[in-house]
Amino acid sequence: GIQVEQSPPDLILQEGANSTLRCNFSDSVNNLQWFHQNPWGQLINLFYIPSGTKQNGRLSATTVATERYSLLYISSSQTTDSGVYFCAASDTGRRALTFGSGTRLQVQP
Amino acid sequence: DTAVSQTPKYLVTQMGNDKSIKCEQNLGHDTMYWYKQDSKKFLKIMFSYNNKELIINETVPNRFSPKSPDKAHLNLHINSLELGDSAVYFCASSQGNRGQFFGPGTRLTVL
Repeated sequence: GIQVEQSPPDLILQEGANSTLRCNFSDSVNNLQWFHQNPWGQLINLFYIPSGTKQNGRLSATTVATERYSLLYISSSQTTDSGVYFCAASDTGRRALTFGSGTRLQVQP
Repeated sequence: DTAVSQTPKYLVTQMGNDKSIKCEQNLGHDTMYWYKQDSKKFLKIMFSYNNKELIINETVPNRFSPKSPDKAHLNLHINSLELGDSAVYFCASSQGNRGQFFGPGTRLTVL
């Protein structure tokens, strides 16, 4: 099945800094999503982005399907951005998501 | 107006007991899923149902039995609970291959 790798595993930022999280995947995808798991454990949908670029406020994401990677950009980070960011993908013919191991982000005031 | 809801939110039980977790979605989606998140935060698919039909059944002990009474509901019954079953169980739903929406999770602790 598809493999999903995320980097970096851990990231510490000062409030106001920008960051880029990376997700590499091993096969063609029909679904790629970014999630934020907050400190209370909720999995929050950030983007459904099997290809192209999307923006939502301070967050944006780009997936280059032909090169099998996706990037999540966080600008002007806030303490509420802290948590774990997961990339998840599914390959053609399979609906279940395979999750990466996550990037743990800590934003310090 | 919760899109995907799960009950209970917390479940603490003794080894050997049988328990169920319920999931409901009001998004009109045709596919529902159960995922398990272990103590290291790793998330893995367990089961998936499409229009009440089981389409994915990963390598999960047969003590775990999903049931989908209708498109909007997917329940998970666990027999003879073991310590290693302690985890957070997430329900999710999607329409076809489009984005999946996750419930709030059920934290199961087996003592």
